[in-house]
Amino acid sequence: EVQLVESGGGLVQPGESLRLSCSASGFTFSLYWMNWVRQAPGKGLEWVANIKQDGSEKSYVDSVKGRFTISRDNAKNSLYVQMNSLRAEDTAVYYCVREMVAVAGGLDYWGQGALVTVSS
Amino acid sequence: SYELTQPPSVSVSPGQTASITCSGDKLGDRYACWYQQKPGQSPVLVLYQDNKRPSGIPERFSGSNSGNTATLTISGTQAMDEADYYCQAWDSSTVVFGGGTKLTVL
Repeated sequence: EVQLVESGGGLVQPGESLRLSCSASGFTFSLYWMNWVRQAPGKGLEWVANIKQDGSEKSYVDSVKGRFTISRDNAKNSLYVQMNSLRAEDTAVYYCVREMVAVAGGLDYWGQGALVTVSS
Repeated sequence: SYELTQPPSVSVSPGQTASITCSGDKLGDRYACWYQQKPGQSPVLVLYQDNKRPSGIPERFSGSNSGNTATLTISGTQAMDEADYYCQAWDSSTVVFGGGTKLTVL
């Protein structure tokens, strides 16, 4: 069974940093692109970043470029996002999401999400 | 940047057909995906590559994509289909979501 379990969420003040982790199991992690998607309270889905199987390619939404860094450790079956200079508008549930192997195959498995609250 | 536009809400009577649209510039030249999200739950992929259903998704979910519009169609809508639905496409290597549509079954 595919499982994605996020951890590391919490309450931080504006300008502070936080690192989210995602532990993957039930599939060969190193074969998949992985993504972070967030959802602010009462709002829609917003894609944040993705990373290629070997970590050689990464993309980000404009609003987090220069502040967030996505990374992965295939030996540990883990995905990460380092979030620096956090702002109130970064408050959201952050989902760890697997991308299907098929071209444009969709985001087929989602974690339960980790809540990040940025507030003074 | 690429944008996808969805109607905020759609209503349907039980047993009828619901259609949710997603508009974007030349969207038909890209693949579209659709996700269902119920309150308090993580999203679930219901269609990929315009009209393919992942394992476990009922046959009443179907899709099309042509021109500037992708459409999610739910035939014989059931009360359990009441949820938020999001379309999604790729812009180069980045992922773009529509704003979401709340489907009400009444």
